[in-house]
Amino acid sequence: DIQMTQSPSSLSASVGDRVTITCRASQSITTYFNWYQQKPGKAPNLLIYAASSLQSGVPSRFSGSGSGTDFTLTISSLQPEDFATYYCQQSYSTPFTFGPGTKVDI
Amino acid sequence: EVQLAQSGAEVRKPGESLKISCQASGYSFSTYWIGWVRQMPGQGLEWVAIIYPTDSSARYTPSFQGRVTISADKSISTAYLQWRSLKASDTAMYYCVRRVVVTATPPAHDSFDIWGQGTMVTVSS
Repeated sequence: DIQMTQSPSSLSASVGDRVTITCRASQSITTYFNWYQQKPGKAPNLLIYAASSLQSGVPSRFSGSGSGTDFTLTISSLQPEDFATYYCQQSYSTPFTFGPGTKVDI
Repeated sequence: EVQLAQSGAEVRKPGESLKISCQASGYSFSTYWIGWVRQMPGQGLEWVAIIYPTDSSARYTPSFQGRVTISADKSISTAYLQWRSLKASDTAMYYCVRRVVVTATPPAHDSFDIWGQGTMVTVSS
């Protein structure tokens, strides 16, 4: 199975801050890589697919980059509604594994 | 509107059986993979299984293989996840997901673009 690691596991930031979360795969997954946001008590929501493509309806302050094994999610200007946990996921091969999550506190 | 509507919360005793459901609407059910993701209390996301309703091809995460069964009924656009003998460790929220796979147009991608609201399964004696 492909293992996914994320850092940091949690972070505290202020409104307006630029936030960066990284994710690493245990082997190359090209760009078969996604980011999801999960707000407390809610189902996860697809933010970014194919490493850098913004899902429809997602604010443009979210962006993704990377390929191969190293990936980054950036929130350019943190908003109060961005308080959530962010998960990365590889879709290169089954089982489609998720990272452990990064909790963002405002 | 594309939606996945899941069945309600369930409480069972260890050893009992259970089948939870996910009804799709707003898209052609047979032409997308549909699956399940587990989230244990306070924990992260784990992919459980997916199925292609057209031919019932299924894939499981090895740790869930043999413990659960995924199925789909095309006639009512509904997917299921079933246990024959529940354990306390099955206590979790289970999310239904639609898998979208695009290979013909760049960028190629494969993601879970639609999520159900979740079904809480509690197994306790």
